[in-house]
Amino acid sequence: DVKVTQSSRYLVKRTGEKVFLECVQDMDHENMFWYRQDPGLGLRLIYFSYDVKMKEKGDIPEGYSVSREKKERFSLILESASTNQTSMYLCASSPQGYEQYFGPGTRLTVT
Amino acid sequence: GIQVEQSPPDLILQEGANSTLRCNFSDSVNNLQWFHQNPWGQLINLFYIPSGTKQNGRLSATTVATERYSLLYISSSQTTDSGVYFCAPRFSGAGSYQLTFGKGTKLSVIP
Repeated sequence: DVKVTQSSRYLVKRTGEKVFLECVQDMDHENMFWYRQDPGLGLRLIYFSYDVKMKEKGDIPEGYSVSREKKERFSLILESASTNQTSMYLCASSPQGYEQYFGPGTRLTVT
Repeated sequence: GIQVEQSPPDLILQEGANSTLRCNFSDSVNNLQWFHQNPWGQLINLFYIPSGTKQNGRLSATTVATERYSLLYISSSQTTDSGVYFCAPRFSGAGSYQLTFGKGTKLSVIP
């Protein structure tokens, strides 16, 4: 079975803090993705990576950066957290061009 | 622009009833996935179905790519089927790594 894990289920941070969300997959997938989910807006892609050290912006990259130093790990970084980044963050991975598998999600609250 | 429309937005069923959820999409697709989001936020893969029909227990799905729609059938519904169902095609063409999510159908199955 494909397994995608995320570092935290729930996270509370203060405005201005630097926040790291980590995602690990165990299936040697090339592609990894970060989405955020908000009521009424659905799931939106923040960034994705198609190989180690390679990344592409998604639909809403502003305020975020990513890092992929190893194939199995994809990190989302909020350089200076703001209250409008309070959201559910979902990580996914897939082999090239095929089915995406999601982690359990991280509910981030920025106060 | 690219659009994914799901209907109905909300559905209430008596336990044991059958239902059909619909997904219309605006452009040609390379593949399409159906997900169930449980109350804890986890996205569960139901089907990877770029075309044709697949069945998995009480659930089945059909995608008619040439007519740009997909259907998810739930038979003999159970309370554990409650949650939000998402359709997510991967559109052909440039930037085609990502899935585009519909707004979802919220299903409530009552005993």
